Amino acid sequence: GDSVTQMEGPVTLSEEAFLTINCTYTATGYPSLFWYVQYPGEGLQLLLKATKADDKGSNKGFEATYRKETTSFHLEKGSVQVSDSAVYFCALSGLGGGADGLTFGKGTHLIIQP
Amino acid sequence: GAVVSQHPSWVICKSGTSVKIECRSLDFQATTMFWYRQFPKQSLMLMATSNEGSKATYEQGVEKDKFLINHASLTLSTLTVTSAHPEDSSFYICSASSFVGTSGGFNEQFFGPGTRLTVL
Repeated sequence: GDSVTQMEGPVTLSEEAFLTINCTYTATGYPSLFWYVQYPGEGLQLLLKATKADDKGSNKGFEATYRKETTSFHLEKGSVQVSDSAVYFCALSGLGGGADGLTFGKGTHLIIQP
Repeated sequence: GAVVSQHPSWVICKSGTSVKIECRSLDFQATTMFWYRQFPKQSLMLMATSNEGSKATYEQGVEKDKFLINHASLTLSTLTVTSAHPEDSSFYICSASSFVGTSGGFNEQFFGPGTRLTVL
């Protein structure tokens, strides 16, 4: 079945540091890929998505590129802020358009220190 | 943005009792809702897909007679954990799907804040 593997945290960085959170996947067909973020006490929020190979999703300074050849969707940000502290989940949807349930990675807890 | 609520946010019950969790889409209609379960330090696991007016589709290994799902309207789905036992203690999260017409159209899932169930 489908699966998502992401680096486990916690990941602790200083403010303005460069961030990379690795995510790889296994899936049949052509999945859509997502990054969700969960702030303390809140529900998951869609951060960015990519629906086909070589697509780049971006939002709030975060970026991730759908790499079919390496089955990866790594999350990056050039300069993190304290407000970026949260749990980040990589996920995939087996059907195009996000119409089915999602397969999630275990989540990466990101801590940004001032 | 679209808001999804869950009620209650946490519940403690005795073993053998049933617990109902509500999931509501507050400002949009959702033909499809999803129920997930999350164990500590684990990923969210899809339990079932709920379509308004029809029976839910359960993932392999999820007992449909234990986890009853009802999706009676376009804004409400309920999950009832029947005859709960300590091993059912977990964090239950719902999401509601809504079509977003930007970037070629996409069914985005909007998540509720989750319900913490503790069975004594």
